Amino acid sequence: QQQVKQSPQSLIVQKGGISIINCAYENTAFDYFPWYQQFPGKGPALLIAIRPDVSEKKEGRFTISFNKSAKQFSLHIMDSQPGDSATYFCAATYGGATNKLIFGTGTLLAVQP
Amino acid sequence: NAGVMQNPRHLVRRRGQEARLRCSPMKGHSHVYWYRQLPEEGLKFMVYLQKENIIDESGMPKERFSAEFPKEGPSILRIQQVVRGDSAAYFCASSRQSGAEAFFGQGTRLTVV
Repeated sequence: QQQVKQSPQSLIVQKGGISIINCAYENTAFDYFPWYQQFPGKGPALLIAIRPDVSEKKEGRFTISFNKSAKQFSLHIMDSQPGDSATYFCAATYGGATNKLIFGTGTLLAVQP
Repeated sequence: NAGVMQNPRHLVRRRGQEARLRCSPMKGHSHVYWYRQLPEEGLKFMVYLQKENIIDESGMPKERFSAEFPKEGPSILRIQQVVRGDSAAYFCASSRQSGAEAFFGQGTRLTVV
């Protein structure tokens, strides 16, 4: 019940295309859903986050779509660029403990020029 | 304005030795979180500390692992009598307060031979 399931495991997208990464959860107590970006040899960096009172949040080329009834959320990267090539993790937490995170297993994104 | 500093970046230990991983939080941050990332997996929460206090250690293995965050100096994650299964990347994150965004360090990659 504490898991966050992430797919796909890896993704190849052409430059300018849309990258879509999906996550699903079981615990309805989760109330904070961030996405992290990690480059090789670096720590994860917060990219964008959403709370379940909204269905979508957009920051630049990055959008989170949230479906509370389906217990799913996804990251969309518009106009994907080679510099977006990284591993992306979804995560979830609850109860204000925004840094005790349950992470998905990650998606390795490669954007081809 | 240094970020979260972890050292060493790479650590090799023989089975049965002790491993000490250090984390200096960002300036002004008094909350520290340790995560472990096994190969091909997402990050798993281990422990949450404030200065001189362990707040949540629900993700720590019951034996051989301990953590501290003294009044002065860095936070230390200590692994006694390491085994091959302890080989992983260990990430530290810090935040100004419990609900604020946490920033991750670059991690310590522990290899047990």
